[in-house]
Amino acid sequence: GAVVSQHPSRVICKSGTSVKIECRSLDFQATTMFWYRQFPKQSLMLMATSNEGSKATYEQGVEKDKFLINHASLTLSTLTVTSAHPEDSSFYICSARDDDLQGRNTEAFFGQGTRLTVV
Amino acid sequence: LAKTTQPISMDSYEGQEVNITCSHNNIATNDYITWYQQFPSQGPRFIIQGYKTKVTNEVASLFIPADRKSSTLSLPRVSLSDTAVYYCLVGEDTGRRALTFGSGTRLQVQP
Repeated sequence: GAVVSQHPSRVICKSGTSVKIECRSLDFQATTMFWYRQFPKQSLMLMATSNEGSKATYEQGVEKDKFLINHASLTLSTLTVTSAHPEDSSFYICSARDDDLQGRNTEAFFGQGTRLTVV
Repeated sequence: LAKTTQPISMDSYEGQEVNITCSHNNIATNDYITWYQQFPSQGPRFIIQGYKTKVTNEVASLFIPADRKSSTLSLPRVSLSDTAVYYCLVGEDTGRRALTFGSGTRLQVQP
């Protein structure tokens, strides 16, 4: 089945540095990808919608200058956490659906997630 | 998007059938019902989707009554590896729309 790959799966960074997380659709194209954040024992919260070739759409309360999203190709979206702080420590998950199945009932594929720890 | 309500947690034993019910009173005509499973430190995984009546696949069954205001995910003969959080989602299934996750149901399967 279709796979969404996220990298890295775990990262530890120092406070004030930036971290880039990659999300790739391995065998399908995805014009739109989604980024979620999940804190311990909580549900997934949508952060932003990543659109290939255009600006991302951010959810209310998510700082676009802090969480930079680049969707440069139909198979790759990146999330950069800039000037990371300990409160940014969380589990970040991306998601995508197959462009070829637009309009039909399709499942969303999720990456394996990235555990970010800011020290 | 229709709001969903699920039990926060459930306990079961290996070999038992587990039924998790989700309420979605405000479901719209075009909305589908989809269930996802999430293991710790992993992304969610699609389990099953349905619109009405009953849907069955190799993993689970989904029962949806005629009024569609609720749905029940049925896991036959659970094993320890079914311990996970199960999310019920309701919405139009279009590729350009993000999924909205509720609180989910944390299922703990005991030996």
